[in-house]
Amino acid sequence: QQPVQSPQAVILREGEDAVINCSSSKALYSVHWYRQKHGEAPVFLMILLKGGEQKGHDKISASFNEKKQQSSLYLTASQLSYSGTYFCGTDYQGGGNKLTFGTGTQLKVEL
Amino acid sequence: DTGVSQDPRHKITKRGQNVTFRCDPISEHNRLYWYRQTLGQGPEFLTYFQNEAQLEKSRLLSDRFSAERPKGSFSTLEIQRTEQGDSAMYLCASSLSGSTNEQYFGPGTRLTVT
Repeated sequence: QQPVQSPQAVILREGEDAVINCSSSKALYSVHWYRQKHGEAPVFLMILLKGGEQKGHDKISASFNEKKQQSSLYLTASQLSYSGTYFCGTDYQGGGNKLTFGTGTQLKVEL
Repeated sequence: DTGVSQDPRHKITKRGQNVTFRCDPISEHNRLYWYRQTLGQGPEFLTYFQNEAQLEKSRLLSDRFSAERPKGSFSTLEIQRTEQGDSAMYLCASSLSGSTNEQYFGPGTRLTVT
């Protein structure tokens, strides 16, 4: 089953914050977050393992709520370079298996 | 450290022709994945290898698709008798076993079937 992402699209002014959610109906082993710009390959952002940890990378951080089988990506003080489509990829088995990707969230940051 | 590379970057072919794509993973990575992405959708899993062994193949993959990784390094994906519905971006990713399975994607091969 494909994870569900919300919102589908969001427009921000530079400096504003955003939250992107990824929800699964199945138990998750890990959640992988990627950003993809038009015509380019997905770029790895971070991975969250089950256990409810939170990770941060510059002004982008993420959390994993094991009880809810949900991960959230937090973008703070957004920059123009944050524009793109964000995908969560879910691993249901662990051990280096395939990722099942959501339908994506389109993020546009404007001046 | 060079990233994942794919060749060709673009391929236009006529319906019914066979096409082959190549993927070179990050050198120390022993896992290699193929995904397909259509416009407005996330990548969709096709198959993956650990070293030379093909460990999983999507049920969505018809018999016209075949993938190999003969020496555990580069991989090829062949599509026989292409159909217009095969038009998509074909993405390759690699990862290292024993790690958290961070998958790094190549630039993709965009296939257009006319």
